[in-house]
Amino acid sequence: GQSLEQPSEVTAVEGAIVQINCTYQTSGFYGLSWYQQHDGGAPTFLSYNALDGLEETGRFSSFLSRSDSYGYLLLQELQMKDSASYFCAYSDRGSTLGRLYFGRGTQLTVWP
Amino acid sequence: GAVVSQHPSWVICKSGTSVKIECRSLDFQATTMFWYRQFPKQSLMLMATSNEGSKATYEQGVEKDKFLINHASLTLSTLTVTSAHPEDSSFYICSAGTSGGFNQETQYFGPGTRLLVL
Repeated sequence: GQSLEQPSEVTAVEGAIVQINCTYQTSGFYGLSWYQQHDGGAPTFLSYNALDGLEETGRFSSFLSRSDSYGYLLLQELQMKDSASYFCAYSDRGSTLGRLYFGRGTQLTVWP
Repeated sequence: GAVVSQHPSWVICKSGTSVKIECRSLDFQATTMFWYRQFPKQSLMLMATSNEGSKATYEQGVEKDKFLINHASLTLSTLTVTSAHPEDSSFYICSAGTSGGFNQETQYFGPGTRLLVL
């Protein structure tokens, strides 16, 4: 089977740092993606890790450990607009164009 | 960045009718399109993969006769929900991408179509 586990909710205050963890269990793993989705909107691509280590893109960073089947999304200098759902997903091929299987999502609420 | 549109953005229909949702890649040619479904407060579930000019590949548990997918051109894929019932009410999202070397590949999501079946 295949599954991704992530916390259902996370809360933090503006300016803080928050980490959203994702563990996965699957065969044929190629890489882990992260997406942001605001209520009623489309998912927006944030980052993709094919190799172990940290990928940094502005305030957002993503980490992957293939040996631990684990990754996380790190959001720094939180802003109110970061309140959204965050999904980890893996692809069935070595890019983000493959069939994506999503976790249940983590609802992040940022308080002033 | 690449833009994917969906039409309509929302639709209300009576039980038993069929609804067609269009997904278009506006500024690129999409060799592959995907259809997802999302229930409130839940994850996106992949329904099917659509490649231009060939039959769609459906995920396990998705009825291909209920959810008809056509990918007639490199910029258009359609999802038809046939004989819709209230349990088909959901948020339907498409995505599109072009293969061209793994470093360049990505998929872009449309804004989604909200379907309510009465």
